[in-house]
Amino acid sequence: AQKITQTQPGMFVQEKEAVTLDCTYDTSDQSYGLFWYKQPSSGEMIFLIYQGSYDEQNATEGRYSLNFQKARKSANLVISASQLGDSAMYFCAMRVSNDYKLSFGAGTTVTVRA
Amino acid sequence: SAVISQKPSRDICQRGTSLTIQCQVDSQVTMMFWYRQQPGQSLTLIATANQGSEATYESGFVIDKFPISRPNLTFSTLTVSNMSPEDSSIYLCSVPTGGKSNEQFFGPGTRLTVL
Repeated sequence: AQKITQTQPGMFVQEKEAVTLDCTYDTSDQSYGLFWYKQPSSGEMIFLIYQGSYDEQNATEGRYSLNFQKARKSANLVISASQLGDSAMYFCAMRVSNDYKLSFGAGTTVTVRA
Repeated sequence: SAVISQKPSRDICQRGTSLTIQCQVDSQVTMMFWYRQQPGQSLTLIATANQGSEATYESGFVIDKFPISRPNLTFSTLTVSNMSPEDSSIYLCSVPTGGKSNEQFFGPGTRLTVL
């Protein structure tokens, strides 16, 4: 069974600063994928970034980057130049091999202060 | 990317009644998933909606409570039966794009309140 751990229930960040959201995972599979989603108060789940277990480089998507440390089984999300619109819940998720089911962490609430 | 719509977007229901949630995708997809998010909680997979066969349910979820239909490759329904206040949640459908793209998209969700 896969397990995703997000240890930060909530974080505050100043506008224009960077913030790192922690995510660790546990799986015995060698092939897996890691996802980050943003969930604003509206409830929709917005896909942010994906990292495959065999990807040699860290994934980046605009202001989002994923700090993937395979040996430590961590996949931290870095949001650079925070904006007020980044205030939301952020979820780390994982799927293994060719199974498209996602397992989610508990989530981290980010509040961006002006 | 896939465009996913859900109906209704929200509803308030009385206990003991049932609600059917629809999920429509703008392209044919092999797999569709239904998730539940209880208030203040993370997402939990309810079941995989299989086209042409019965849905595959995760531990803790049963077909009598959450019957699912998948009549074709672009559409699925989830019914929440004999509702109780504990069923108050956001229900989301999800589809993977597969192939070279590893994105996995969610519908906008159905926010259900049971009184």
